[in-house]
Amino acid sequence: QSVVSQPPSASGTPGQRVTISCSGTSSNIGSNYVNWYKLLPGTAPKLVIHSDYQRPSGVPDRFSGSRSGTSASLAISGLQSEDEGDYYCAVWDDSLTGPWVFGGGTKLTVL
Amino acid sequence: EVLLVESGGVVIQPGGSLRLSCAASGFTLPDYSMHWVRQGPVKGLEWISLMSRDGDMIFYADSVRGRFTISRDNSKNSLYLQMNSLRVEDTALYYCAKGGEGVSGVIDRWGQGTLVTVSS
Repeated sequence: QSVVSQPPSASGTPGQRVTISCSGTSSNIGSNYVNWYKLLPGTAPKLVIHSDYQRPSGVPDRFSGSRSGTSASLAISGLQSEDEGDYYCAVWDDSLTGPWVFGGGTKLTVL
Repeated sequence: EVLLVESGGVVIQPGGSLRLSCAASGFTLPDYSMHWVRQGPVKGLEWISLMSRDGDMIFYADSVRGRFTISRDNSKNSLYLQMNSLRVEDTALYYCAKGGEGVSGVIDRWGQGTLVTVSS
């Protein structure tokens, strides 16, 4: 059980806006940047948001991120079929001896 | 272009040892912190180890501490993970990943992973 939690699933229809949440504590999300990754089987994980809201080069501006208190969110607007996949948040935790933690992952389905 | 290529994954019996390798190109390994992350079957991502760019800070997840050892060879621009006393629950796809200049910097590039199966 991760110290950072995500809903196991999310879904939306093409064109909709979906949000995936990431909930933590004061020692991780409450005090450090959150990064988001997309996983597809057979491919390398891809960074889609870093430092709470920054988009790497090549990531569409439909992707956005935010952080408030001990929670963070990834939002995808104008949902497309290619957005389907597993999304994970990741954050440094000040209190752990093994300091990086990943959320449990959210499977996004485009209906 | 940054590229990370893992190798060394096999099917191995419980209690065995294995060394995974990660060949890096497109950047100089000792300029960045480097990570190993795994994903078990029907499980999520689990961070397991980190080496700072200077090599003076090394971290492990509780699940592997004392059994796994991270190391690197700067002359080969390669990262390694020595895995001892393997358990069935270590079965996973193991990813090598590039971090930031600091140990808390963003993990921004990943390899495609190498599969380790621990089974009798």
